[in-house]
Amino acid sequence: DQQVKQNSPSLSVQEGRISILNCDYTNSMFDYFLWYKKYPAEGPTFLISISSIKDKNEDGRFTVFLNKSAKHLSLHIVPSQPGDSAVYFCAATSGNTPLVFGKGTRLSVIA
Amino acid sequence: EAGVVQSPRYKIIEKKQPVAFWCNPISGHNTLYWYLQNLGQGPELLIRYENEEAVDDSQLPKDRFSAERLKGVDSTLKIQPAELGDSAVYLCASSSASGSYNEQFFGPGTRLTVL
Repeated sequence: DQQVKQNSPSLSVQEGRISILNCDYTNSMFDYFLWYKKYPAEGPTFLISISSIKDKNEDGRFTVFLNKSAKHLSLHIVPSQPGDSAVYFCAATSGNTPLVFGKGTRLSVIA
Repeated sequence: EAGVVQSPRYKIIEKKQPVAFWCNPISGHNTLYWYLQNLGQGPELLIRYENEEAVDDSQLPKDRFSAERLKGVDSTLKIQPAELGDSAVYLCASSSASGSYNEQFFGPGTRLTVL
């Protein structure tokens, strides 16, 4: 049973437009959420995180939104750039428990 | 600042053979993690070290997998004997926040192919 779900395996967006990557979770104990970006042949790189006490966190072109009642979070990238093309993983934890990762969404930004 | 270093980057072995992966974490990071990533999946934790102590190894298949982190710095993950289903990417990560799984820094991984 997947506790963290990324239901879109892939997403294509035009350069300059907004990319929205979605993530759903089932465990209500999760209180910290992270997004990682992964290029081919590299390890995942931390991108942005959000605590359950917030509903939004912004860092430059990247914004994460958290809807606790819906157990849903999303990553917005505005504007999207070709260098953003990568696999994005959503992960969740409840403090001192291991990160639970989703399966990832492959983002392709088309110039 | 150097990142997490892993070697080898790629390894091809025949089933039933032993294999070992090495990881050097970021300097000063006392927490080290080994993850398994199967194709099309997210990373799954195998073991977590706080310094030289394994504090979470509940997901490590102890019949064939073993790990060590002597002196609390470098770590080695071993599989003996390897099975076909062990083909995957093995990721090492480290963090400076003790007791927390936040903001881990990952190495490039070792891609294992078992024939």
